Amino acid sequence: QVQLVQSGSELKKPGASVKVSCKASGYTFTTYAMNWVRQAPGQGLEWMGWINTNTGNPTYAQGFTGRFVFSLDTSVSTAYLQISSLKAEDTAVYYCARAPQPSITWGQGTLVTVSS
Amino acid sequence: EIVLTQSPGTLSLSPGERATLSCRASQSVSSSYLAWYQQKPGQAPRLLIYGASSRATGIPDRFSGSGSGTDFTLTISRLEPEDFAVYYCQQYGSSQKTFGQGTKVEIK
Repeated sequence: QVQLVQSGSELKKPGASVKVSCKASGYTFTTYAMNWVRQAPGQGLEWMGWINTNTGNPTYAQGFTGRFVFSLDTSVSTAYLQISSLKAEDTAVYYCARAPQPSITWGQGTLVTVSS
Repeated sequence: EIVLTQSPGTLSLSPGERATLSCRASQSVSSSYLAWYQQKPGQAPRLLIYGASSRATGIPDRFSGSGSGTDFTLTISRLEPEDFAVYYCQQYGSSQKTFGQGTKVEIK
């Protein structure tokens, strides 16, 4: 069955970087784009953008440019979200969600906590 | 960017009652590309409705969506205990996909 499995929770200090992985299975990885969604504690869902898994071309939502980078390793059917210069306000659960929109298939979420 | 405003913020109802949730867009949503998701604590969102009114696979028929343009509605005809959750609308017709801020349906 189609499945997205994300990496485990992370605890980072302000200024550090983090890389979240999203491993796909059950389908041909390069057939469908991958979206990323953020959910801060007790808050709603924010669409961060998507990456074309065929070309590797990313598209970032407003507010997610600069410190956020989407990447791929198609050899292991995995998408990545890297966040640099972490701030306390980056504390959130990050989800990958497979295209097409609207997404039926979501990862289980990865909690990133930024705290000194 | 299309801003989606959901109302009410919280809906307090009893099992068996009807729930009506609203999602209003700041500009017209292209081709009714409007979806509704349900989210329970500690879980990823679950797609309920796409194309404003089509139920996703496996979604009970007590869930229905309607609307077009800038005004959309999710109706739960008779609330079951498992329906108490947070509901989000999302528009996916523009290059910048956006979510509403959510409506919490809680047990009265």
